[in-house]
Amino acid sequence: AQTVTQSQPEMSVQEAETVTLSCTYDTSESDYYLFWYKQPPSRQMILVIRQEAYKQQNATENRFSVNFQKAAKSFSLKISDSQLGDAAMYFCAYRSGEGGGADGLTFGKGTHLIIQP
Amino acid sequence: DGGITQSPKYLFRKEGQNVTLSCEQNLNHDAMYWYRQDPGQGLRLIYYSQIVNDFQKGDIAEGYSVSREKKESFPLTVTSAQKNPTAFYLCASTPIPYSNQPQHFGDGTRLSIL
Repeated sequence: AQTVTQSQPEMSVQEAETVTLSCTYDTSESDYYLFWYKQPPSRQMILVIRQEAYKQQNATENRFSVNFQKAAKSFSLKISDSQLGDAAMYFCAYRSGEGGGADGLTFGKGTHLIIQP
Repeated sequence: DGGITQSPKYLFRKEGQNVTLSCEQNLNHDAMYWYRQDPGQGLRLIYYSQIVNDFQKGDIAEGYSVSREKKESFPLTVTSAQKNPTAFYLCASTPIPYSNQPQHFGDGTRLSIL
């Protein structure tokens, strides 16, 4: 079974600065997908960014980018120019690509990101 | 607008009572999922369904049941066998093909014990 580990229960960053959230995963599969979701106080789950394991290029979405290290099984999220609206719980998630990939997501326990004004 | 509707937003259960959480989607997605969220635990998969009249157990299916009679609907029943049902429940769906498509989530139902 796959596992996802987020080793930082809480992170704090000054507004406009850059912060990196860590995620490692354990899998024996070669075909898989990785996601970062944001959960603000409203509890809504919002997709931030996704990465296909077969792609070497790191995904980028505006101020959000990932550092995907497949050999190290690491998938960190970098948030540049942090804004107050970025304050939320951030979850790293894994999805198998085998068997059609319909088995659901495996989530880490989350990192609570605090933005200091 | 297309999306996933979960109801009710808040639900209270008495001891020995079964309760059903509703999840409806108008995204024409084939696959649907139920997750449970506890503080400090992240989300854990309860059940999922790829097609109508078929579903599979997730990691924590004990004490729960589901049905999938229509593509749009995937209700979750929390039975009296679930001894610790207090949690936040999230329903999700995803289009075909599954793997690289993100799951879309509803706004959740908070279940508490009276």
